[in-house]
Amino acid sequence: DAGITQSPRHKVTETGTPVTLRCHQTENHRYMYWYRQDPGHGLRLIHYSYGVKDTDKGEVSDGYSVSRSKTEDFLLTLESATSSQTSVYFCAIRGQGTEAFFGQGTRLTVV
Amino acid sequence: AQRVTQPEKLLSVFKGAPVELKCNYSYSGSPELFWYVQYSRQRLQLLLRHISRESIKGFTADLNKGETSFHLKKPFAQEEDSAMYYCALSPNFNKFYFGSGTKLNVKP
Repeated sequence: DAGITQSPRHKVTETGTPVTLRCHQTENHRYMYWYRQDPGHGLRLIHYSYGVKDTDKGEVSDGYSVSRSKTEDFLLTLESATSSQTSVYFCAIRGQGTEAFFGQGTRLTVV
Repeated sequence: AQRVTQPEKLLSVFKGAPVELKCNYSYSGSPELFWYVQYSRQRLQLLLRHISRESIKGFTADLNKGETSFHLKKPFAQEEDSAMYYCALSPNFNKFYFGSGTKLNVKP
């Protein structure tokens, strides 16, 4: 599993509330990613990080922010959750080679 | 801009039949290409990448630069191959772009 854990695994929240998802890795990889997975859209990149305090936007970054204050943790925040952000969120790291390794996912429901 | 297209949302085949999952990409350079598999409600797992030219679980994929395709093939499908399959492209090893996925259903 490349030492990637996501928390929480499931969350139900109300529209308008802030939500933070955490991705933790144990292997000191430089690159970390947040994706959302939706039927018909596959996986879309939200934000990614290439080092501590170094982040950049992906394809669908509106409504999301990220922070990386430590190598091992990459946080995804929904400042004010909306129903369109109901999704499965996956964290990934780029391994020693060129491939990405994924966490187990967080299923988020915004009601 | 880079783009990955998987034209089939669902592919149903019988056990023992050949399988081909299509992937086309658009990118002006020479990207790294991957196939990932996701079994029901699990994390995505790397199936194979073109640079290693491996065969994993009987699957192979050939990069065709002229047709900008990276189709996934298996000569004899098994029921345990039923899963979602994603084609992915990495233009510079820093970001990964995924197709919309193909659900493979192998019937007994």
